[in-house]
Amino acid sequence: QVQLVESGGGVVQAGRSLRLSCVASGFTFSSYGINWVRQAPGKGLEWVADISYDGSNQHYADSVKGRFTISRDNPKKTLYLQMNSLSAEDTAVYYCTRDSIAVRPGWFDPWGQGTLVSVSS
Amino acid sequence: DIQMTQSPSTLSASVGDRVTITCRASQSISSWLAWYQQKPGKAPNLLIYDASTLESGVPSRFSGSGSETEFTLTISSLQPDDLATYYCQQYNSYPYTFGQGTKLEIK
Repeated sequence: QVQLVESGGGVVQAGRSLRLSCVASGFTFSSYGINWVRQAPGKGLEWVADISYDGSNQHYADSVKGRFTISRDNPKKTLYLQMNSLSAEDTAVYYCTRDSIAVRPGWFDPWGQGTLVSVSS
Repeated sequence: DIQMTQSPSTLSASVGDRVTITCRASQSISSWLAWYQQKPGKAPNLLIYDASTLESGVPSRFSGSGSETEFTLTISSLQPDDLATYYCQQYNSYPYTFGQGTKLEIK
């Protein structure tokens, strides 16, 4: 079945870096745009970034622009999120989620189970 | 950025009730709106896209309507399994944005 599995979360000191990964299975990874969405503890959902099916286009939320970089390796069916200059405000569960339809980015299905990033000061 | 505002923030209703959640956009987003359900401790789940198209496998008691700046999610007959937080999301333009969520409690 279609599945996304995130990894790489953990506890990191403020100012340091972390890289998240998301491995896909059950669909043609290279045909779909993929997104990162995060959720701070007890808070709502915040879209973080997306990348087009071929990696040629990326978009970012203002809150992470210049600090986070989204990338993908299609042969490995893997999405990445490089997070630099982390602060306490970046503490959240990070979800990997696919554009629901290959030719129409915008809404998301399915979602991974999430990976927790905790930034300590 | 387009701001999405949901109301109410919390809603308490009984099994069998008709429930309506509203989502307002700070500018027109045509019909580029999705609704998600998030149960406690779980990832969100897509319910509706393009404002009113029901995702495959989602129970027919869920429906969506609206366009431009005002949208609604309706549950026609509330079930115990509907205990969750519901989010709207616009995909008219980047950055994509979510509403703050509506927590639905069962009386």
